Amino acid sequence: ETGVTQTPRHLVMGMTNKKSLKCEQHLGHNAMYWYKQSAKKPLELMFVYSLEERVENNSVPSRFSPECPNSSHLFLHLHTLQPEDSALYLCASSQRLAREETQYFGPGTRLLVL
Amino acid sequence: AQSVTQLGSHVSVSEGALVLLRCNYSSSVPPYLFWYVQYPNQGLQLLLKYTSAATLVKGINGFEAEFKKSETSFHLTKPSAHMSDAAEYFCAVTNQAGTALIFGKGTTLSVSS
Repeated sequence: ETGVTQTPRHLVMGMTNKKSLKCEQHLGHNAMYWYKQSAKKPLELMFVYSLEERVENNSVPSRFSPECPNSSHLFLHLHTLQPEDSALYLCASSQRLAREETQYFGPGTRLLVL
Repeated sequence: AQSVTQLGSHVSVSEGALVLLRCNYSSSVPPYLFWYVQYPNQGLQLLLKYTSAATLVKGINGFEAEFKKSETSFHLTKPSAHMSDAAEYFCAVTNQAGTALIFGKGTTLSVSS
């Protein structure tokens, strides 16, 4: 595997389910991100981790819970979601947290909440 | 605060024609600017970025962008469109803390034969 991988690629869940999204980066980076891409809206940053420490939580509802067990893996735990949470969830990584650093994106998980 | 505006949510060109996708930014500090492309059912791929080294930035697939401070613009161009260029294009600026990319709403490029 190379780059940034995400699993699953597609997920359908009911509002009472609990599921997790997984992201893995094979680039040796130290920073990882979760973004949400909804129809008709710009990509929105959700969470940022640097060296496994959360550095930003962009006013995300508590039904989304991130976890970064090491610098290569990032999870997004989902519970009691709402239909409006249906979106493409993108993971990204960068060498470090810095304004000039390029973020490399995974293919995303397409989530549908019924 | 930083922000990005992409003028035109949809641009259509003929194969071989010039591609021009517009991006204007707002930044309280010298900006770092990026263009990404997203093909259907895929993530975002970096086309090019501006980090103050040169105002004309060349990227992959024949794309380039020019940073114009006086116009607060970073428009993306390609001299001759190819069918494979059909995708969604996003302009972005890094926030002041360096913790996030602030994206525009995107421009969908269609290329007809």
